[in-house]
Amino acid sequence: GEDVEQSLFLSVREGDSSVINCTYTDSSSTYLYWYKQEPGAGLQLLTYIFSNMDMKQDQRLTVLLNKKDKHLSLRIADTQTGDSAIYFCAGGNTDKLIFGTGTRLQVFP
Amino acid sequence: KAGVTQTPRYLIKTRGQQVTLSCSPISGHRSVSWYQQTPGQGLQFLFEYFSETQRNKGNFPGRFSGRQFSNSRSEMNVSTLELGDSALYLCASSFGGAGAYEQYFGPGTRLTVT
Repeated sequence: GEDVEQSLFLSVREGDSSVINCTYTDSSSTYLYWYKQEPGAGLQLLTYIFSNMDMKQDQRLTVLLNKKDKHLSLRIADTQTGDSAIYFCAGGNTDKLIFGTGTRLQVFP
Repeated sequence: KAGVTQTPRYLIKTRGQQVTLSCSPISGHRSVSWYQQTPGQGLQFLFEYFSETQRNKGNFPGRFSGRQFSNSRSEMNVSTLELGDSALYLCASSFGGAGAYEQYFGPGTRLTVT
């Protein structure tokens, strides 16, 4: 069945780059998404990439998609303490999204 | 443009009761999806409505139901509440459907069942 996997934790120093990885099994997704969730809040759509693209850059965020390996990554440049949150990747086909387990990013000074 | 709104934000119920949660999508969006988020199971898809019709349903018991009105607002209902139903319930709206359009989430309703 459909499955999306992420590493659970990532800790980085403020100012460094963060790379959050995701692997998925369903190759029929039209879009692949990255969401951010801060404590007690809903999901904030950060960015997305069409399944026929390899890379998308949006200010400090860079998404890389390797369709052959079914691997998606999110790079955050110049990571700030405000970036501390849980990051979810998600892929969807037709009418629903399948979410990964989420990666907790901790940024320390 | 206003975002997705959910009411109430917090709710405490006792086992056996029923509950109704409400979601108002972004203006112009016709698809509303519901998700349950728990620490143990993560984010799980409940169901999706488009133009008042349920198009897709996740693997949840029949105690979980929903509906969508002509103005695209949606409600979900959980009957005979169990302790395991305690969760954050998130709704999301999109123009045409989750898999092919950007999906925006509301802040969620935190349900606690005692």
